[in-house]
Amino acid sequence: DVKVTQSSRYLVKRTGEKVFLECVQDMDHENMFWYRQDPGLGLRLIYFSYDVKMKEKGDIPEGYSVSREKKERFSLILESASTNQTSMYLCASSPSQGAKGGTEAFFGQGTRLTVV
Amino acid sequence: DAKTTQPNSMESNEEEPVHLPCNHSTISGTDYIHWYRQLPSQGPEYVIHGLTSNVNNRMASLAIAEDRKSSTLILHRATLRDAAVYYCILRDYSTSGTYKYIFGTGTRLKVLA
Repeated sequence: DVKVTQSSRYLVKRTGEKVFLECVQDMDHENMFWYRQDPGLGLRLIYFSYDVKMKEKGDIPEGYSVSREKKERFSLILESASTNQTSMYLCASSPSQGAKGGTEAFFGQGTRLTVV
Repeated sequence: DAKTTQPNSMESNEEEPVHLPCNHSTISGTDYIHWYRQLPSQGPEYVIHGLTSNVNNRMASLAIAEDRKSSTLILHRATLRDAAVYYCILRDYSTSGTYKYIFGTGTRLKVLA
């Protein structure tokens, strides 16, 4: 089975801290995504990556950056955490358009981040 | 980005069919229609996707309108385990030529025993 693993299920950080959220996938997928999920707002795309070292902004990139040094790992970085970044963060991966097996996305279990 | 519109919530009785509607009036010719669902305390999981023709798989059926401005996810016999938030999304192309998934707020399905 495809597996997308997020490093932590729950995380509590202080305002101003630099926070790293890690995501690893084991299916050699080209595409990886970071979303945040808030009540009433659904899932909102923060950043995505379509290849190693390649990234593109999503709908809400402000206050975040990302890193993809290896194909299987996609990191979300909060440079200086703020309380309004308290949220559920979801990572996903999917194969490129032309790959066999379809282009569905596979999600991790999520990281619930609380910034105090 | 193309957007979708879904009802906030729906209810169904167990063992009965459920039709979950989705409007996507600004869909472009190359946008695939995807459905995902999110069970409590889990990440979203893929249900089904299609482009123009109706699609069936072991989980559900997807009926796509002829003009592609709307679609309907059909659960043939709802069970209590189908209670979830169902998202209709368009697989949208980005400026780099790759694609991304833009989620809306979804439909919360409640299944009554």
